Amino acid sequence: NAGVTQTPKFRILKIGQSMTLQCAQDMNHNYMYWYRQDPGMGLKLIYYSVGAGITDKGEVPNGYNVSRSTTEYFPLRLELAAPSQTSVYFCASSSSRSAPGNTIYFGEGSWLTVV
Amino acid sequence: GESVGLHLPTLSVQEGDNSIINCAYSNSASDYFIWYKQESGKGPQFIIDIRSNMDKRQGQRVTVLLNKTVKHLSLQIAATQPGDSAVYFCAENSGNTPLVFGKGTRLSVIA
Repeated sequence: NAGVTQTPKFRILKIGQSMTLQCAQDMNHNYMYWYRQDPGMGLKLIYYSVGAGITDKGEVPNGYNVSRSTTEYFPLRLELAAPSQTSVYFCASSSSRSAPGNTIYFGEGSWLTVV
Repeated sequence: GESVGLHLPTLSVQEGDNSIINCAYSNSASDYFIWYKQESGKGPQFIIDIRSNMDKRQGQRVTVLLNKTVKHLSLQIAATQPGDSAVYFCAENSGNTPLVFGKGTRLSVIA
């Protein structure tokens, strides 16, 4: 059982470039999330989705876009990369809102450096 | 500021001793709290959770205590082992809003 799979694992971008971080889950979870984690800091929510076709902004959505055309996939798009977007990005999923019995499962992370 | 925070950013304990990691929260409406463990280079992993109508919950070598009066959460790890070395995050949930994570505490186990 793969769980939550993120690609790429590592990426270096030049300022102004665009890229998409891919995320897939095979648990048929309705809820999916993108978090970023800066060095020595906690996780900040970028965007989340409660089901296919529905997305909502989190705490730090500026500079990012998402789409959720299917239950399985939740890609995160960076349109014009900036050094401030250098971070580790985590995709996560849960069957419904986080609650007892509905644990959030995280991917392994994607390390992004913008130079 | 963040609604969930931690008292200590780092904690060093001797192998075999008990560890206590603390967390403060400010949203009295939060109804569910979770502790996650994040090992170096990996994503956070669920450890234990607790509902707001409980004040204690035990797992295997871990215990979570919730004090709603002072909005305080703690994670106790018994007989700490080198494999417990990681960053520990508390997180809170309120209504339908996604989890809010604290800053994290790094636990270092001294062999």
